[in-house]
Amino acid sequence: EDKVVQSPLSLVVHEGDTVTLNCSYEVTNFRSLLWYKQEKKAPTFLFMLTSSGIEKKSGRLSSILDKKELFSILNITATQTGDSAIYLCAVGPGGSEKLVFGKGTKLTVNP
Amino acid sequence: GAVVSQHPSRVICKSGTSVKIECRSLDFQATTMFWYRQFPKQSLMLMATSNEGSKATYEQGVEKDKFLINHASLTLSTLTVTSAHPEDSSFYICSARDYRGLGRDEQYFGPGTRLTVT
Repeated sequence: EDKVVQSPLSLVVHEGDTVTLNCSYEVTNFRSLLWYKQEKKAPTFLFMLTSSGIEKKSGRLSSILDKKELFSILNITATQTGDSAIYLCAVGPGGSEKLVFGKGTKLTVNP
Repeated sequence: GAVVSQHPSRVICKSGTSVKIECRSLDFQATTMFWYRQFPKQSLMLMATSNEGSKATYEQGVEKDKFLINHASLTLSTLTVTSAHPEDSSFYICSARDYRGLGRDEQYFGPGTRLTVT
């Protein structure tokens, strides 16, 4: 059975801190890994990763994939209160359009 | 990024009635749309995959006669919750697949619909 595990489930930091969110997976024929940010409504897309070792960056957020060890990390530097959200990791198994979601990491950034 | 809309954003209905939720991709064509539900403090659970012009594929445990899905065009999919019960109260989210070949295969989510069945 395809599985995506995120850690930690919950994280509280102060503004300015750097955080690392983890996502490990077990899927048949991996196709892609995606990170989403969910605030009060539906998730918004952050990154899609398909190749190992290539960092994707967007402002203070960056992510990298390790297909050998079957995990990805999402880094957020100089966190702000607006980064408070649930961060979801999803994996797309090969041969399927479906996404398998992890339970998410709830990040709280305090001022 | 691509835009997906959902309507309504909130709906309250009485037990036994049916509710239709629309999902539209506004600036791209989506041959595939997905329907998820999300309970409080839980992750998204895929309910079904909706392909334009064909029958939806339901996940195990999802009643296809209760959750009717119609993907009438490349920009519209609908989910109808039939004979709704209070336990159907949830946050329903659709996503649309924007596939343009190698390197471009993303899912964009609608804003979600909060269904409350009284």
